[in-house]
Amino acid sequence: AQSVTQLGSHVSVSEGALVLLRCNYSSSVPPYLFWYVQYPNQGLQLLLKYTSAATLVKGINGFEAEFKKSETSFHLTKPSAHMSDAAEYFCAVRANTGGFKTIFGAGTRLFVKA
Amino acid sequence: DAGVTQSPTHLIKTRGQQVTLRCSPKSGHDTVSWYQQALGQGPQFIFQYYEEEERQRGNFPDRFSGHQFPNYSSELNVNALWLGDSALYLCASSSRDLYNEQFFGPGTRLTVL
Repeated sequence: AQSVTQLGSHVSVSEGALVLLRCNYSSSVPPYLFWYVQYPNQGLQLLLKYTSAATLVKGINGFEAEFKKSETSFHLTKPSAHMSDAAEYFCAVRANTGGFKTIFGAGTRLFVKA
Repeated sequence: DAGVTQSPTHLIKTRGQQVTLRCSPKSGHDTVSWYQQALGQGPQFIFQYYEEEERQRGNFPDRFSGHQFPNYSSELNVNALWLGDSALYLCASSSRDLYNEQFFGPGTRLTVL
C-alpha cells in the first residue's frame, strides 16, 4: 500500500526566496513519485517525476526534487520564487508494479508575497 | 493535439439523481483513470479502464461505475447522488507503459444540492 504526507497545508514565501515543499511517502514496493501543480479551476499539471533513475529530478519552471529513500522523502524545491508560482501543489506516489492508481497528498497551497 | 477533454464543465444535480460525466483521452492514449477531488483535498483514485474493462478500483462504492468505449473515451456514472459527492471529477489518460505520465483534464465540477 502507498500513502503520502505533505507537511504544511499552507506555505508563504517572498518573491525571490527559496521554495521548499515537503513530502514524505510510504510504499510497500519501489515507488514512482510525482509532483503536480494545480491552478484555480484547472486540472493537474505534472511538474516532475521520479521513476527509479536519477535521485535528483529536474522539472519544469525551475522546480526540482530529490528522492531520499532513507528518509522516505521527496521534497520539492525552487531557488527563487516567482509570483506565478502561487498555486496548489500535490505530491503523489504510485507503485511501479502495475496499474496507474496514484495516491495523492492533501496538497500544499503556496503563497508568494511581493 | 487537444489533450484530455472533459464534459460538461459544471453540473448541478439534486440528491438521489444520477449523473454521467465524459472524458476523451489525449491522442495516442488507451488508458483512462478517474479521480474525485473534494474541496481542499487531494484527488482520490476512483478506477482505471483499459481495453474497455475496469482494471483497478479505489475505495468507492458501487454507486460509482464506468465504461470505456472502443475509441478509448470513457464515462463515469454516479447513481443515487448525495451531498458528499459534490467535488471536482478529474479524468487522466496515459499509454499503458508505466513510465509514462498521466495527463489530466480540466475536470467536471459537480454540485449536489
